[in-house]
Amino acid sequence: KAGVTQTPRYLIKTRGQQVTLSCSPISGHRSVSWYQQTPGQGLQFLFEYFSETQRNKGNFPGRFSGRQFSNSRSEMNVSTLELGDSALYLCASSFSGQDAWLSFGSGTRLTVV
Amino acid sequence: TQLLEQSPQFLSIQEGENLTVYCNSSSVFSSLQWYRQEPGEGPVLLVTVVTGGEVKKLKRLTFQFGDARKDSSLHITAAQPGDTGLYLCAGAPAGGGSNYKLTFGKGTLLTVNP
Repeated sequence: KAGVTQTPRYLIKTRGQQVTLSCSPISGHRSVSWYQQTPGQGLQFLFEYFSETQRNKGNFPGRFSGRQFSNSRSEMNVSTLELGDSALYLCASSFSGQDAWLSFGSGTRLTVV
Repeated sequence: TQLLEQSPQFLSIQEGENLTVYCNSSSVFSSLQWYRQEPGEGPVLLVTVVTGGEVKKLKRLTFQFGDARKDSSLHITAAQPGDTGLYLCAGAPAGGGSNYKLTFGKGTLLTVNP
């Protein structure tokens, strides 16, 4: 079956702009989590959605938001981009979110200039 | 906040050598996972260990979960260039619950030179 699909793969934005990233989970998976990965901080948890509801949230400012649709597809949005938002954004899906393992997409590489 | 410390941070070895990387915490985890991430890709799950003292083998890779479920190690025998990548450990919180989320270490970047 198809894996987790993230679009776009690469994105270059200017400081102050906003961006929307998309994630399609594995078919049948209802939980979608988002992570930010940087060389200095590693993988940091942004938020998790399950059945269209945000169930968990990490320690990121309100500029980072997300949503999940009825087909489990998810989007995350970052408004008023800052240079420090440059990172690899990873989406991961699992059946229930408590399966203790995640299937990751290939990520979206966001560069803010 | 649960933290996972991975060591070493970087490791560069020659093909055929053995190596061990470590994942340590002061917290107890219900399970611990190891992922490998190749450049430009997302992490891929290698193994999950759930029982204290558990040892799992995956070809040349041996994973061990500490008796107290606070630490884990990954040993690679006769490393090959294809083993190159970022090795991440991730701990699942004890007790589960609706606020369940994995805690990731920062990873060990392994380079195996031909």
